[in-house]
Amino acid sequence: GNSVTQMEGPVTLSEEAFLTINCTYTATGYPSLFWYVQYPGEGLQLLLKATKADDKGSNKGFEATYRKETTSFHLEKGSVQVSDSAVYFCALESGGGNKLTFGTGTQLKVEL
Amino acid sequence: DTGVSQDPRHKITKRGQNVTFRCDPISEHNRLYWYRQTLGQGPEFLTYFQNEAQLEKSRLLSDRFSAERPKGSFSTLEIQRTEQGDSAMYLCASSPNGLAGETQYFGPGTRLLVL
Repeated sequence: GNSVTQMEGPVTLSEEAFLTINCTYTATGYPSLFWYVQYPGEGLQLLLKATKADDKGSNKGFEATYRKETTSFHLEKGSVQVSDSAVYFCALESGGGNKLTFGTGTQLKVEL
Repeated sequence: DTGVSQDPRHKITKRGQNVTFRCDPISEHNRLYWYRQTLGQGPEFLTYFQNEAQLEKSRLLSDRFSAERPKGSFSTLEIQRTEQGDSAMYLCASSPNGLAGETQYFGPGTRLLVL
């Protein structure tokens, strides 16, 4: 079946540090890949997505590239801010119904 | 566009009671999903609707759970004879047509606590 594995948190960084959150997946067919973010006290919202191999999704300074050969979709940001503190979920969509399969989430804490 | 709304936001109930949650998707979104999220985990798929038709139910959805979307607009999720293991955040999401790669828009969730 489909599954998503992402690095465990919490990840604690200083402001302006480089961020990488690893995400790998197992899926049949050709899934679409997503990163969702959950800020404290708020609902899940889409951060970025990629729908085919080698596509790069980007938003708010975050990037992730769909790597079919390594079945990965790692999230990166060159310089994090305190306001980026949140829980980040990697997800894939595949198969009938286009339902999402999520990873367990990675909590990011950015300190001054 | 007011986004996906869910009601109530919080529910505390005693074991054995029935509860019902409501989800109002974004207007004109044909696809509606329900997910459940427990502490420290990612959301898990429960069921989805295309318009008023319920097309798939997860094995997570026991016989005590029932969902409806009678007019293809809002949806309800009912849990009968609640158990402590039902305590979780119940999330609703909608998308325009359910096409591959389409963004799902999530509501704020209903947090259920079963005592």
